[in-house]
Amino acid sequence: DTEVTQTPKHLVMGMTNKKSLKCEQHMGHRAMYWYKQKAKKPPELMFVYSYEKLSINESVPSRFSPECPNSSLLNLHLHALQPEDSALYLCASSQADSGNTEAFFGQGTRLTVV
Amino acid sequence: AQSVTQLDSQVPVFEEAPVELRCNYSSSVSVYLFWYVQYPNQGLQLLLKYLSGSTLVKGINGFEAEFNKSQTSFHLRKPSVHISDTAEYFCAVSRNSGYSTLTFGKGTMLLVSP
Repeated sequence: DTEVTQTPKHLVMGMTNKKSLKCEQHMGHRAMYWYKQKAKKPPELMFVYSYEKLSINESVPSRFSPECPNSSLLNLHLHALQPEDSALYLCASSQADSGNTEAFFGQGTRLTVV
Repeated sequence: AQSVTQLDSQVPVFEEAPVELRCNYSSSVSVYLFWYVQYPNQGLQLLLKYLSGSTLVKGINGFEAEFNKSQTSFHLRKPSVHISDTAEYFCAVSRNSGYSTLTFGKGTMLLVSP
């Protein structure tokens, strides 16, 4: 199984809502990532978890709150978002302990903030 | 810090013609190089990667790339494209750290027409 599964595929939320994005992988990877991709732009790294610990936070606003409950799951909790946060949110996973490894991406969650 | 430059934002080509998508990178440390493809409303799929060894790398769907250290380039080539190759192509570098943290180029849209 080389899949990274993200749910939901689409999400529309108001600026006062609280929602969560979910990501799951069963490849035994111990590194998991959140990327944000705006329309017609490349993905940009948001967070990296390694062995369930937050290793990198690329100065992401606190209205985005990541969580890694176990080695297979990664969540992104959303609260008080702005319309400019509308984007494709991509989850990825890879082996940890080395940069010479490929990252496997999910299909993404298309988020629209209204 | 590392960066990736994809000079061509869009490359139109006729079906069965050859194509080259250009990628240059800059980094003060060793990096690993990747090409990913993104079809509309999809996640990213790895085409190929250069980690070490042979500078000519073969990937999926008939694509190949050549790592040129002196020119800091990693151009992607395909001898004969198909309509189904129409997609966005991202070149990326990974830091030589414990994770696959990717820095992407801006992407090149390959448009294949009959």
